Amino acid sequence: EVQLVESGGGLVQPGGSLRLSCAVSGFTFSSYWMHWVRKAPGKGLVWVSRINSDGTSTSYADSVKGRFTMSRDNAKNTLHLQMSSLRDEDTAVYYCARHAQQLIPLDYWGQGTQVTVSS
Amino acid sequence: EIVLTQSPGTLSLSPGERATLSCRASQSITNIYLAWYQQKPGQAPRLLIYGTSTRATGIPDRFSGSGSGTDFTLTISRLEPEDSAVYSCQQYGSSPWTFGQGTKVEIK
Repeated sequence: EVQLVESGGGLVQPGGSLRLSCAVSGFTFSSYWMHWVRKAPGKGLVWVSRINSDGTSTSYADSVKGRFTMSRDNAKNTLHLQMSSLRDEDTAVYYCARHAQQLIPLDYWGQGTQVTVSS
Repeated sequence: EIVLTQSPGTLSLSPGERATLSCRASQSITNIYLAWYQQKPGQAPRLLIYGTSTRATGIPDRFSGSGSGTDFTLTISRLEPEDSAVYSCQQYGSSPWTFGQGTKVEIK
């Protein structure tokens, strides 16, 4: 059974940092591109970042570029999102998701982890 | 970036009725790379449709997708109580990937 489990969310002050993790099981992690997507209260889903299967290429939304860093450890089946210089507008539930293949986008998602940026 | 606009914002229908959800893109979407997701409160999004019209694994055939260019539609042919959720469209043909703001479907 495919499982993705996020952790690391919490309450952080503006300007602070947080590291999210996503532990996966049930599939060959090293074969898949992975993404982070967030959902703020009352807003729609927003794509945040993606990483290729071997971790050599990443891409970010303009709103987080230069502040967030996505990485992966294929030996430990774990995905990470290092978030720094956090802003109020980064408050959201953060989901990790698997990118199945070129035509099939995000076919499995984690349950999400809440990040709240507030003083 | 491609902006996706969904309408209506909320749809309130009875069980057995047909729901038609619209997703309009600010520019033509590359290679039919348009998907639909369902999200219930407290749950992760669930992939329903990809490639504009292909149902994802395990999705009932009452869900169907259609469209091309800039106009896309998700149809739920016969609403069931468990279809109460927010439905979001997504384009994944151009970077950055973008989502619509969602349509909430309420079952009376």
